[in-house]
Amino acid sequence: AQSVSQHNHHVILSEAASLELGCNYSYGGTVNLFWYVQYPGQHLQLLLKYFSGDPLVKGIKGFEAEFIKSKFSFNLRKPSVQWSDTAEYFCAVISGNKLVFGAGTILRVKS
Amino acid sequence: NAGVTQTPKFRILKIGQSMTLQCTQDMNHNYMYWYRQDPGMGLKLIYYSVGAGITDKGEVPNGYNVSRSTTEDFPLRLELAAPSQTSVYFCASSYSGPNEQFFGPGTRLTVL
Repeated sequence: AQSVSQHNHHVILSEAASLELGCNYSYGGTVNLFWYVQYPGQHLQLLLKYFSGDPLVKGIKGFEAEFIKSKFSFNLRKPSVQWSDTAEYFCAVISGNKLVFGAGTILRVKS
Repeated sequence: NAGVTQTPKFRILKIGQSMTLQCTQDMNHNYMYWYRQDPGMGLKLIYYSVGAGITDKGEVPNGYNVSRSTTEDFPLRLELAAPSQTSVYFCASSYSGPNEQFFGPGTRLTVL
């Protein structure tokens, strides 16, 4: 079964800093990958998804992610973070009939 | 559309009590899911359903039961609450397959 690992559990950045959150999935073949975000006190929302095609995926709120097949990675990026990006970010991969989530990365943006 | 709704928002249970967490979606989605979220552990799938009358176990089903008598509703039952079931529970739904899932607001459960 597929699994995902997220490298950093906590990240602290200042406003306007660039962001890159790591995500690796466990094995190759056809993969469907997602990034979800959970703002404080709220439910999970989809940021972006990759099924096929252009490996650079654009999502909401200025986020993007790059699928690199040779590295089994799907890292999330944002060129300039804002205080409102403070949230927990989850990478996820489809495995059979299920969505398997990583442990999450808590991002705190200092204003 | 209300999307995915969950009740209650918060609940405190005593060890050994039982309760049902309610989940309803109004998007006519076939697939529904129950997850639990624990700090630093991400979301773990408890049970899922691919349609009315069909349910299957996820990663962490022990201590829980589900039913799916209608497309809209997918209740989660805890029969004998234990402290290990203290968690935040999220219900989610998707139209077909485990693709883009829409999540409810969650139920924070504490078992003392």
